[in-house]
Amino acid sequence: DGGITQSPKYLFRKEGQNVTLSCEQNLNHDAMYWYRQDPGQGLRLIYYSQIVNDFQKGDIAEGYSVSREKKESFPLTVTSAQKNPTAFYLCASSLYRTTTLINQPQHFGDGTRLSIL
Amino acid sequence: GDSVTQMEGPVTLSEEAFLTINCTYTATGYPSLFWYVQYPGEGLQLLLKATKADDKGSNKGFEATYRKETTSFHLEKGSVQVSDSAVYFCALSDRAAGNKLTFGGGTRVLVKP
Repeated sequence: DGGITQSPKYLFRKEGQNVTLSCEQNLNHDAMYWYRQDPGQGLRLIYYSQIVNDFQKGDIAEGYSVSREKKESFPLTVTSAQKNPTAFYLCASSLYRTTTLINQPQHFGDGTRLSIL
Repeated sequence: GDSVTQMEGPVTLSEEAFLTINCTYTATGYPSLFWYVQYPGEGLQLLLKATKADDKGSNKGFEATYRKETTSFHLEKGSVQVSDSAVYFCALSDRAAGNKLTFGGGTRVLVKP
């Protein structure tokens, strides 16, 4: 079945450590996104990528980094510069067609919960 | 910038009651509107969508109509079930903003038997 796979489901970070969250999709979607969700709150956009080898900052990019070397993969690194990393991280993907005015819905993975040790 | 405002929860209902969750938006372009649902410990699932004014999205008994004149996209269901207990997010996607989603804060719904 096609879908979005995020791993691991739970992740723990030590002080001063960088950690990388994996996101893989087999939907042949062009665009991929990373969101952060804090308890009782909505989602905030960290980074997004519309094509391979290109990505843009979202609303809360500080302390995070991404890469998009393959269409299927969009890993997120939470660096030691992110002072409050404890959150639920969601990856999403969508088609992105510049020839139409219709916005394509985003499809989400099941998330990774990151905690500080 | 774009923004979405939805009613705060939690909303507590009895089974078979009528559910309404209000959602209003501001956007500079021509947004598409979405409702997503999140069950405990899971990611978001697309519930329904509408891409232009007066469109009605519907799925699993839920409905929402894109009202451009009132900039609203209220979610309704005529008879809720315990299995509808979840957090519901209203969102907009604006091509002028690179198809990024802007979310409301979410509304937790609890349906009691």
